[in-house]
Amino acid sequence: DTAVSQTPKYLVTQMGNDKSIKCEQNLGHDTMYWYKQDSKKFLKIMFSYNNKELIINETVPNRFSPKSPDKAHLNLHINSLELGDSAVYFCASSPPSGIETQYFGPGTRLLVL
Amino acid sequence: GENVEQHPSTLSVQEGDSAVIKCTYSDSASNYFPWYKQELGKGPQLIIDIRSNVGEKKDQRIAVTLNKTAKHFSLHITETQPEDSAVYFCAALGGYGNKLVFGAGTILRVKS
Repeated sequence: DTAVSQTPKYLVTQMGNDKSIKCEQNLGHDTMYWYKQDSKKFLKIMFSYNNKELIINETVPNRFSPKSPDKAHLNLHINSLELGDSAVYFCASSPPSGIETQYFGPGTRLLVL
Repeated sequence: GENVEQHPSTLSVQEGDSAVIKCTYSDSASNYFPWYKQELGKGPQLIIDIRSNVGEKKDQRIAVTLNKTAKHFSLHITETQPEDSAVYFCAALGGYGNKLVFGAGTILRVKS
């Protein structure tokens, strides 16, 4: 009964490749997020979707493209991977009552070689 | 925009002692302040939160205090246990209410 799940858990790939990370939540939440956590553990929001609509788009390179097929899923596609993209990517969701309480997934550890 | 600073970056305490982590924020319109615990290899988990209309909140061994005038809030853990060892993040919901801004994290080590 995982609340927020992500696949894959680990992703090792070569520079220049294109990869996708998937996220699903079974909490009935309306809002979903992608965060990036760098090697120093700093956690920063990348994108936020509410009912499949983009509401937050931080200054993220356009090589990163989120896609929300329905309000339970938010996927992250990354084109032309670079070394600096290596990080842990977390998906999160929050309930319709407000965006305050966010529930995080287990993370996807991306290593670009 | 909102800026959150967190101190200390690392904290070592003896089992049974108390631990205090402090955060300051810049946006006086921020109104929601959660604390997250991140264990090794896992995602952040909400442990306690406080809203701007409350000065203190307690949940068993964990408490959070908020000083709106000074724009700082603190996490207090009493009777620490080895399983409290983790990275703790504070966060503030910006005045526009559209995103959480996180502090840099505190690595807490509880020595038994």
